Amino acid sequence: DVKVTQSSRYLVKRTGEKVFLECVQDMDHENMFWYRQDPGLGLRLIYFSYDVKMKEKGDIPEGYSVSREKKERFSLILESASTNQTSMYLCASSLESTEAFFGQGTRLTVV
Amino acid sequence: AQSVTQLGSHVSVSEGALVLLRCNYSSSVPPYLFWYVQYPNQGLQLLLKYTSAATLVKGINGFEAEFKKSETSFHLTKPSAHMSDAAEYFCAALSGGYQKVTFGTGTKLQVIP
Repeated sequence: DVKVTQSSRYLVKRTGEKVFLECVQDMDHENMFWYRQDPGLGLRLIYFSYDVKMKEKGDIPEGYSVSREKKERFSLILESASTNQTSMYLCASSLESTEAFFGQGTRLTVV
Repeated sequence: AQSVTQLGSHVSVSEGALVLLRCNYSSSVPPYLFWYVQYPNQGLQLLLKYTSAATLVKGINGFEAEFKKSETSFHLTKPSAHMSDAAEYFCAALSGGYQKVTFGTGTKLQVIP
């Protein structure tokens, strides 16, 4: 089975902190994604990557950056956390034109 | 751009009753379509997928969905609801040539004993 592992299930950070969310997949997938999930808004794509060192902006990239130095790892960075970034963050991976496999999610609270 | 619409943010059914969750997509080119389920504080799990083969797709846990191009719909059904089906369900679309998956806003299914 594909496994997508997010480094933390719950995080509490202070406003202005730099926050790193890590995601690792074990199935050699080319594509990796970061979504945030908020009630009533569904999943919104922040960034995705289709290869090492490649990244594309999603629908809501403002306030975020990403890093993909190795194929299996995709990191989401909040440069200066703000309270409106309190959310559930979901990482996913996929092969080309197939379904995405999701991690368990990281619930981030910014205080 | 592709969009996915799920009608009804909350649906309640009695245990044993038919489950029908609605999904419509916007693309003129039939995309790949998916239904995912999310249990509380969990990630998303794939229920089923349509990839231009059979229009009636069977998934896990007794769910199925029918792709109807004329209606641009991909509704999810289950003949008899079980308490364990209570969860949030997301419809999603992947358009050809792109790797982005677009999600609907989700439908929370409540099953009443």
